Amino acid sequence: AQKVTQAQTEISVVEKEDVTLDCVYETRDTTYYLFWYKQPPSGELVFLIRRNSFDEQNEISGRYSWNFQKSTSSFNFTITASQVVDSAVYFCARRPTGGTSYGKLTFGQGTILTVHP
Amino acid sequence: DVKVTQSSRYLVKRTGEKVFLECVQDMDHENMFWYRQDPGLGLRLIYFSYDVKMKEKGDIPEGYSVSREKKERFSLILESASTNQTSMYLCASSYLEEQETQYFGPGTRLLVL
Repeated sequence: AQKVTQAQTEISVVEKEDVTLDCVYETRDTTYYLFWYKQPPSGELVFLIRRNSFDEQNEISGRYSWNFQKSTSSFNFTITASQVVDSAVYFCARRPTGGTSYGKLTFGQGTILTVHP
Repeated sequence: DVKVTQSSRYLVKRTGEKVFLECVQDMDHENMFWYRQDPGLGLRLIYFSYDVKMKEKGDIPEGYSVSREKKERFSLILESASTNQTSMYLCASSYLEEQETQYFGPGTRLLVL
């Protein structure tokens, strides 16, 4: 199976610190999509970003930024000036394009982020 | 806004019982998915469906079956619940086109005693 690995099980920071969540994936596919989801205490996964493997540009959305490095098969997520509301479990995921595997996400183990006031 | 709802947030069942978990989406999505979430393992795909009456096995289908009689509804069935099926179950849906993102329901936390 082509794995997605989030090496950090838990991260604890103090408000206003920057924090980076790591994601490394395995793939034999030429093209694929990468995702980040946030799961707050309410339980519902919230979509944050989708990245096509063709597009290696980094992306910034407010305090969130993503660093996609195809050469190292990594898709890391940074939160700048973290806030208590950022406390959640964050999942990285991968999905191949095409074939009968369309739509089938492979998730990492998740990283529990706790931001203390 | 996309809405995916699951019939129960919390469920307690006994070993050997037949359990039905229901999921409904209101966005006319073709694809629907069932995952289970366990600490340290992330989310693992149990089954998915890309059309009414169509289903495909995911990574961990053993002990589960599914039913999709209507486009908006996807049911997960535990034929004979066992304690190792105690978990959080998440339903998701998406459009058929592969670029579309999956939208998740709030989850059902199932405890099998």
